[in-house]
Amino acid sequence: AQTIHQWPVAEIKAVGSPLSLGCTIKGKSSPNLYWYWQATGGTLQQLFYSITVGQVESVVQLNLSASRPKDDQFILSTEKLLLSHSGFYLCAWSLVGGRDEQYFGPGTRLTVL
Amino acid sequence: QQQVRQSPQSLTVWEGETAILNCSYENSAFDYFPWYQQFPGEGPALLIAIRSVSDKKEDGGFTIFFNKREKNLSLHIKDSQPGDSATYFCAASAATGYQNFYFGKGTSLTVIP
Repeated sequence: AQTIHQWPVAEIKAVGSPLSLGCTIKGKSSPNLYWYWQATGGTLQQLFYSITVGQVESVVQLNLSASRPKDDQFILSTEKLLLSHSGFYLCAWSLVGGRDEQYFGPGTRLTVL
Repeated sequence: QQQVRQSPQSLTVWEGETAILNCSYENSAFDYFPWYQQFPGEGPALLIAIRSVSDKKEDGGFTIFFNKREKNLSLHIKDSQPGDSATYFCAASAATGYQNFYFGKGTSLTVIP
């Protein structure tokens, strides 16, 4: 069975500090991977997607970047955090070639002070 | 521009009643509509989904009614239980080159015992 793990579970960071969030998928070969952001009590906004190692496409510009260094790993990062980066970050996966059925990870809660 | 709209923003029903959550969309190219259930502090879980070629989809106590002409759909939760209390998101996607999901703002459902 496939499992999706996100780390850390929660982070409290200062404005201007760097950030790195991670996501690992186990049990699925070469999945499509996605990063989403969710404001507290808000909707989900897709940030990035990746269909293969080393290839990442940006959906919206939020002063964040993403990378896929391994088939099963997706990293979200920034060198300088803003207050507006606070929220819930979710990693999701879907089958290669499958257009639908995205499955979400447990999320990382980020608080920027 | 909000591509997917949900109503009501919050809904309270008694245990055993049917909860009805509504969703409408703008883009006629949308052809896949998943509903996600999210509990506080967790990632959304795929509940049920429908494609635009169908007008109804049932899975357990959950039913989607879809009206392509009116560009709206609804999720019916039959025999609601307190454990169904959560936020429900309607999403939509089109057959584009990548799986870009547009999410509504969610409906917060409370089921009173």
